[in-house]
Amino acid sequence: EAQVTQNPRYLITVTGKKLTVTCSQNMNHEYMSWYRQDPGLGLRQIYYSMNVEVTDKGDVPEGYKVSRKEKRNFPLILESPSPNQTSLYFCASSDPGQGAITEAFFGQGTRLTVV
Amino acid sequence: DQQVKQNSPSLSVQEGRISILNCDYTNSMFDYFLWYKKYPAEGPTFLISISSIKDKNEDGRFTVFLNKSAKHLSLHIVPSQPGDSAVYFCAASNSGNTPLVFGKGTRLSVIA
Repeated sequence: EAQVTQNPRYLITVTGKKLTVTCSQNMNHEYMSWYRQDPGLGLRQIYYSMNVEVTDKGDVPEGYKVSRKEKRNFPLILESPSPNQTSLYFCASSDPGQGAITEAFFGQGTRLTVV
Repeated sequence: DQQVKQNSPSLSVQEGRISILNCDYTNSMFDYFLWYKKYPAEGPTFLISISSIKDKNEDGRFTVFLNKSAKHLSLHIVPSQPGDSAVYFCAASNSGNTPLVFGKGTRLSVIA
């Protein structure tokens, strides 16, 4: 079954304690992205990657890091989480297709609370 | 600056009637548009798309209309069903460039 898998689904942590949210896709997609969803703000892109070892900042990259060492994995790293990073996070993957970007597939989401 | 705008945060429609969700964009380089549906506690799922070479795409009860000159697209759901109650996100891309840019979403409530 084609899917994007995020872990964990729920996480409560304390300010300053480093954490990693993992994301893995089994569709051999080139593009992967991280988004955060906040009330009234919709889905905002944090970072994206267009291929292995290629990453770029999205709209709200501050406080986050990513890496793309393998095609299937795209972990999101919060080196020193702060309460304003409390949010619902989604990982997505897609392929560029033939001259157009095809639809992105999303993971189930990770609800992060930083206290 | 928001490149994709959904100006209605919420919409209520009676079951069986038409739901019309609107989306405006500012970037004239966008040439591919998608609608996603999101239920609580789930990730967004793809619903329907349209490329800039078309002005209409239909899939069952869902139709997307694109007006390039107005930089406007809309999603029509006919007839609306209670199971359509969800948040709908409009998204756009510049094909071959960056991944999707999303609007803030519209929460649709279909009342039985």
